Amino acid sequence: GQNIDQPTEMTATEGAIVQINCTYQTSGFNGLFWYQQHAGEAPTFLSYNVLDGLEEKGRFSSFLSRSKGYSYLLLKELQMKDSASYLCAVMDSNYQLIWGAGTKLIIKP
Amino acid sequence: EPEVTQTPSHQVTQMGQEVILRCVPISNHLYFYWYRQILGQKVEFLVSFYNNEISEKSEIFDDQFSVERPDGSNFTLKIRSTKLEDSAMYFCASSEAGHSGANVLTFGAGSRLTVL
Repeated sequence: GQNIDQPTEMTATEGAIVQINCTYQTSGFNGLFWYQQHAGEAPTFLSYNVLDGLEEKGRFSSFLSRSKGYSYLLLKELQMKDSASYLCAVMDSNYQLIWGAGTKLIIKP
Repeated sequence: EPEVTQTPSHQVTQMGQEVILRCVPISNHLYFYWYRQILGQKVEFLVSFYNNEISEKSEIFDDQFSVERPDGSNFTLKIRSTKLEDSAMYFCASSEAGHSGANVLTFGAGSRLTVL
């Protein structure tokens, strides 16, 4: 079966750095996405990785290792507004998005 | 910035009633999707739509569900006879490129359906 694993919840301090991990087992791979979802709102696109390595976009970076079936989202200089759920999703060989359950990130002052 | 719009934002209905959720995708997008998210649970794929027909559907998308693109702008999800377990947030999404790796979905704000 297809599976995406990520921690259910993480807590971090304002101004700090946090790394949210995602591991996946899917039938084929056509890229990995990270989306941010604030409570009661729609997911919004953060990043896309299809090749191994680190993609940096401002305070957010996303890393991929295809051989390990592993990705992480790195958030720097955390702000209170970063409190949200972070969803890892993998596009399989049929171009279907397989979603993880999301990691709820709580930022404390 | 272009956005996907959904109506209604919240609908309360009685079990067994029909519900239609409406979506206006981004105008130059060709692929349309419906997802649902039961409170506190993961996003679940329902159906994708391209070139006026369903391209993929999940096990959740049974005979009680249907989708339609009645005109050039709207994309609707109909639930024929709602059940309690249909209570969820329903998200419409659209994208420029369906069968492509960098298929970034733009989601609407969602329609919260409560079945009593």
